[in-house]
Amino acid sequence: DAGVTQSPTHLIKTRGQQVTLRCSPKSGHDTVSWYQQALGQGPQFIFQYYEEEERQRGNFPDRFSGHQFPNYSSELNVNALLLGDSALYLCASSLGMLIYEQYFGPGTRLTVT
Amino acid sequence: DAKTTQPTSMDCAEGRAANLPCNHSTISGNEYVYWYRQIHSQGPQYIIHGLKNNETNEMASLIITEDRKSSTLILPHATLRDTAVYYCIVRGDSGGGADGLTFGKGTHLIIQP
Repeated sequence: DAGVTQSPTHLIKTRGQQVTLRCSPKSGHDTVSWYQQALGQGPQFIFQYYEEEERQRGNFPDRFSGHQFPNYSSELNVNALLLGDSALYLCASSLGMLIYEQYFGPGTRLTVT
Repeated sequence: DAKTTQPTSMDCAEGRAANLPCNHSTISGNEYVYWYRQIHSQGPQYIIHGLKNNETNEMASLIITEDRKSSTLILPHATLRDTAVYYCIVRGDSGGGADGLTFGKGTHLIIQP
């Protein structure tokens, strides 16, 4: 049973560039959430996708956008990268009505120089 | 969502029970207590959750005080692999669809050999 997978593992970008991160949810899950984790901090909720629509959003600017595909996989896009966007980006999946457990992937480490 | 207060760090001897406290004095009636942990370089992992009754699963026990203003996560026989940051999260059950989790800084539990 495949768990949550994310790609790439690591990424280095320059300020002003754009980046796309990818996530495949755990088998059978239909809901994907994205989190940003800065060094030494807990994960911060970015947004959540269900039925290919953004359902809820945390306190992040419009530079952060996403998409969910019919196979439930998801992308996180960040435009006009800032140095402060350097972080571990985590994807979590769950089964729509079962909100108690979110399964997290290993994350993508983004470094902005 | 109600806020939580946890100690920054704790030590526990291998083989002993690890008791991790969490204060959530502003919790409201429909809010659950969730515990997640994050082992170094991995995504967070769900441990357990509860509303007002004590809960136990294969990983841990959750003891919630009668007034629900605090709780304790118990790892009955800690091993070195339990060294991680433990997050206590309080959140309402909004029903359909998964919502974002609000992580604080958590407790860094170090299991000593």
